[in-house]
Amino acid sequence: GEDVEQSLFLSVREGDSSVINCTYTDSSSTYLYWYKQEPGAGLQLLTYIFSNMDMKQDQRLTVLLNKKDKHLSLRIADTQTGDSAIYFCAESNRGYGGATNKLIFGTGTLLAVQP
Amino acid sequence: GAVVSQHPSWVICKSGTSVKIECRSLDFQATTMFWYRQFPKQSLMLMATSNEGSKATYEQGVEKDKFLINHASLTLSTLTVTSAHPEDSSFYICSARGRQGGNEQYFGPGTRLTVT
Repeated sequence: GEDVEQSLFLSVREGDSSVINCTYTDSSSTYLYWYKQEPGAGLQLLTYIFSNMDMKQDQRLTVLLNKKDKHLSLRIADTQTGDSAIYFCAESNRGYGGATNKLIFGTGTLLAVQP
Repeated sequence: GAVVSQHPSWVICKSGTSVKIECRSLDFQATTMFWYRQFPKQSLMLMATSNEGSKATYEQGVEKDKFLINHASLTLSTLTVTSAHPEDSSFYICSARGRQGGNEQYFGPGTRLTVT
């Protein structure tokens, strides 16, 4: 079955860049997502990338996709203390006829930003 | 836009009672809603997918008679945990996908259930 893995913890200093990595196994993944979860809260969609793209940039966020290696990364430039949260990658595929499939979430990476 | 709310945000109940959690899409019509469960320091696990007006599709290992899902309208889905036990204590999160299609799910803020 599908499997999505992430490292559990990342600590960076304020102002540095953070890179959170994710690997997945489903080669039919069509969409890959990054979500942010703050303590006791739901998930906030940060960005997503289609599988036919290599890179997507959105302000401080850069997503890199290596489809061959099934590796996804999220880079946060100029990391701030407000970026401290758990970051989940997720993948889904679009079934035949455009029907959308479920999201498979990674294990989550706790990002701790030191002032 | 695309706001999803959940009610209650937290609930404490006694073992053996039933608890209902509501998930509402506030500014869009949600043809599909998803229910997830998240145990402490773990990822989200999909419990079931519900389409408006039809029976929910449950993931393997999720008891449909214990976790009753109703999606009676395009803006409301409910999850009822029947005969709750302490092991059902968890963070329950819903998400909704709009009528316009696309692949994006909008997540609610979650409901913390504690069963004593």
